Amino acid sequence: QTVVTQEPSFSVSPGGTVTLTCGLSSGSVSTSYYPSWYQQTPGQAPRTLIYSTNTRSSGVPDRFSGSILGNKAALTITGAQADDESDYYCVLYMGSGIVIFGGGTKLTVL
Amino acid sequence: QLQLQESGPGPVKPSETLSLTCTVSGGSISSSSYHWGWIRQPPGKGLEWIGSIYYSGSTYYNPSLKSRVTISVDTSKNQFSLKLSSVTAADTAVYYCARLQAGATSFDYWGQGTLVTVSS
Repeated sequence: QTVVTQEPSFSVSPGGTVTLTCGLSSGSVSTSYYPSWYQQTPGQAPRTLIYSTNTRSSGVPDRFSGSILGNKAALTITGAQADDESDYYCVLYMGSGIVIFGGGTKLTVL
Repeated sequence: QLQLQESGPGPVKPSETLSLTCTVSGGSISSSSYHWGWIRQPPGKGLEWIGSIYYSGSTYYNPSLKSRVTISVDTSKNQFSLKLSSVTAADTAVYYCARLQAGATSFDYWGQGTLVTVSS
């Protein structure tokens, strides 16, 4: 059973930079997994931030960026703002139409 | 602007079948460029992919739910549907429909979600 791993929680100071990661219980994440990232605030539907590793979705500010760091996918927020306080989920494409969500990271801005 | 809207009959009793429909507006469900999917989120928990469908009817299911899930498409109504059988309280969740980009690798548009409660 493949598990997609994310930090359960993270905190960042306003104006600071934070990198959230997305890994695999077994193996390394590469661009072949087409990692994507989603932001969700309480009571709202998820919002797509990044797809295909590093492509920003329409309307997403450029302080959100995606990459591969070592053996994981990464979402970096540069110049964190108060309204970036949200849950962040990654998704990995496993092939044959199968996608898996990570457990999510709760980001606190304080 | 593409919009997706979930709809369903409301609460479901244990052991019964949960049925939801997603109506797509502002775009065609028959586009060869996209897949269409269902995702759920139990209260206070994370997101879980349920399954996806292509307009041709090809389906892909989460292996952990596959035995209970059926996803279908009605191109004449620009809708796709979810059926989840033999539900229990663990199936109580907000259910989202969403569009997947080419190759079904990621989601781009989401519905607002609908809470389905399983209770006797």
